[in-house]
Amino acid sequence: RKEVEQDPGPFNVPEGATVAFNCTYSNSASQSFFWYRQDCRKEPKLLMSVYSSGNEDGRFTAQLNRASQYISLLIRDSKLSDSATYLCVVRWGSARQLTFGSGTQLTVLP
Amino acid sequence: DVKVTQSSRYLVKRTGEKVFLECVQDMDHENMFWYRQDPGLGLRLIYFSYDVKMKEKGDIPEGYSVSREKKERFSLILESASTNQTSMYLCASSPQGAYTEAFFGQGTRLTVV
Repeated sequence: RKEVEQDPGPFNVPEGATVAFNCTYSNSASQSFFWYRQDCRKEPKLLMSVYSSGNEDGRFTAQLNRASQYISLLIRDSKLSDSATYLCVVRWGSARQLTFGSGTQLTVLP
Repeated sequence: DVKVTQSSRYLVKRTGEKVFLECVQDMDHENMFWYRQDPGLGLRLIYFSYDVKMKEKGDIPEGYSVSREKKERFSLILESASTNQTSMYLCASSPQGAYTEAFFGQGTRLTVV
């Protein structure tokens, strides 16, 4: 079983739609959580950190459920520019390294 | 702005060659990482370093070694390149701390023929 699992998609949604991605992690000692975005042939970049109480940044909302060991990302009012791969990322306990999910591909259609 | 720079965007090497991938960061970060990214497998950690001359194996270290002689530079070495090492290689750096993000270089697409 992978340590961080995501639905690979692809998710194809029309502009203006709301789309949600989930990610599950296997290690209950996980300490910090992130969503990264990766455009085609580019490097991953931080989209947002995920805090215990949930957090919002404009059209993006991240939630953490420690009891069920999953995190989610909600994108409202999708734009064409949101088309990318979204990577769920977890850091275990005192580990220095981040563990990545395989990513979920999103395409927003005109 | 944090900058992580990888020496090459594209490389083509022959089987059996020794290959050096270089990465430099300009933010005085303690931690540096080498990942490879393959379709369907996501990013997998090869090696990381948390200090000069310190290194730790990641999930897939076989066939690779690393060097960190200066804080800002972290090199990945393929001792004898093989075709199954054809991949996208991504270097990253991060400061110390449990809640810190990692910053990535632009990636090196290595093809071994």
